[in-house]
Amino acid sequence: KQEVTQIPAALSVPEGENLVLNCSFTDSAIYNLQWFRQDPGKGLTSLLLIQSSQREQTSGRLNASLDKSSGRSTLYIAASQPGDSATYLCAVPLGNDMRFGAGTRLTVKP
Amino acid sequence: NAGVTQTPKFQVLKTGQSMTLQCAQDMNHEYMSWYRQDPGMGLRLIHYSVGAGITDQGEVPNGYNVSRSTTEDFPLRLLSAAPSQTSVYFCASSYSKGEYDNEQFFGPGTRLTVL
Repeated sequence: KQEVTQIPAALSVPEGENLVLNCSFTDSAIYNLQWFRQDPGKGLTSLLLIQSSQREQTSGRLNASLDKSSGRSTLYIAASQPGDSATYLCAVPLGNDMRFGAGTRLTVKP
Repeated sequence: NAGVTQTPKFQVLKTGQSMTLQCAQDMNHEYMSWYRQDPGMGLRLIHYSVGAGITDQGEVPNGYNVSRSTTEDFPLRLLSAAPSQTSVYFCASSYSKGEYDNEQFFGPGTRLTVL
């Protein structure tokens, strides 16, 4: 059974810090892993999608890595800004469903 | 592209009432799905569709119906609303659910309260 875990559940950092969010999954037979951002009261915004054949993806200040053999993915945010404050979720496919982590709630203080 | 759109944004129903949550996408995606998001429960799949005319149940389908008459639209019907259906509902779509072209895009959500 696929379980997705995100650590930490919450993180508070001062503006400008580089930070890493962690995502682990129990079944390494995945097609891809997707990172989302969710602002309070809003929908999920896709940030990065890493296919199983890739090791990392980059978009602006975001870099996501994937290590299937160890069942882990990290989302690296460089030079954090208050506008990065949100909940970050990772998800992996599970048949016709997706299995989501519980999310990391990030607060970036000015 | 408008992406995935959902209406209404907010809705309050009384127990026993029925309603339809609308979802549309303009990306020619074959796969569409409905999730509900509840505190402490995360996102749970209600129903999904792999193409026009094809639908199937997800993890929590009871009390909901879906149909997919066109590629673009995937409405979710609440047959007789219950307080347990108070939740935030998200529609999502992707080109496929296979090994490629499988990035999921989500709509902005419908916040439903059943009194």
